[in-house]
Amino acid sequence: QVQLVQSGAEVKKPGSSVKVSCKASGGTLSTFDINWVRQAPGQGLEWMGGIIPIFGTVTYTQTFQGRVTITTDKSTGTVYMELNRLRSDDTAVYYCARHRGELWGQGTLVTVSS
Amino acid sequence: AIQLTQSPSSLSAFVGDRVTITCRASQGVGSSLVWYQQKTGKVPRLLIYDVSNLQSGVPSRFSGSGSGTDFTLTISSLQPEDVATYYCQQLFIYPHAFGQGTKLEIK
Repeated sequence: QVQLVQSGAEVKKPGSSVKVSCKASGGTLSTFDINWVRQAPGQGLEWMGGIIPIFGTVTYTQTFQGRVTITTDKSTGTVYMELNRLRSDDTAVYYCARHRGELWGQGTLVTVSS
Repeated sequence: AIQLTQSPSSLSAFVGDRVTITCRASQGVGSSLVWYQQKTGKVPRLLIYDVSNLQSGVPSRFSGSGSGTDFTLTISSLQPEDVATYYCQQLFIYPHAFGQGTKLEIK
């Protein structure tokens, strides 16, 4: 049974970058899109962008355009989300989720603090 | 971009009540609408996909309906374990926006 396993919590300084990984454990990424969603403390879910690993096609929401990069390593079945120029309001739990949300990673807490 | 507006933002109901949450899209989303349940501190759980299809393992008291721009999540008989925040999301076009959430509590 496929699981999405994310990398561990990160603490970053404002202005720096963070790269979060999402690995398909027990299977492959296949043709399904992988999406990144974040949730700031006490707030709702926010879709950031998505990638179709087998094709490498990527789409981002306008809010993060220019700051976020989503990539994939097909050889390891891992998708990455890198967020640059971090600000304090980027503090959130970052999730990867497959396709229509039937499978989610466990979440990665990214804390941005000076 | 398509915007999703959920109503109400919060509600409180008795165990056994029928509960309805509405999601309105700023333009048509075909049948590409899903509903999630998120309990405090937990990962979101897919309840309904393609407007009205129950995800495997989800209790049958949950149902979805609607078309075009107006969609509904219904819990036929509210249970204590249904306390959570519920989100709709459209998968019709990018960006795949979420509604703002509906927080459900027990009276």
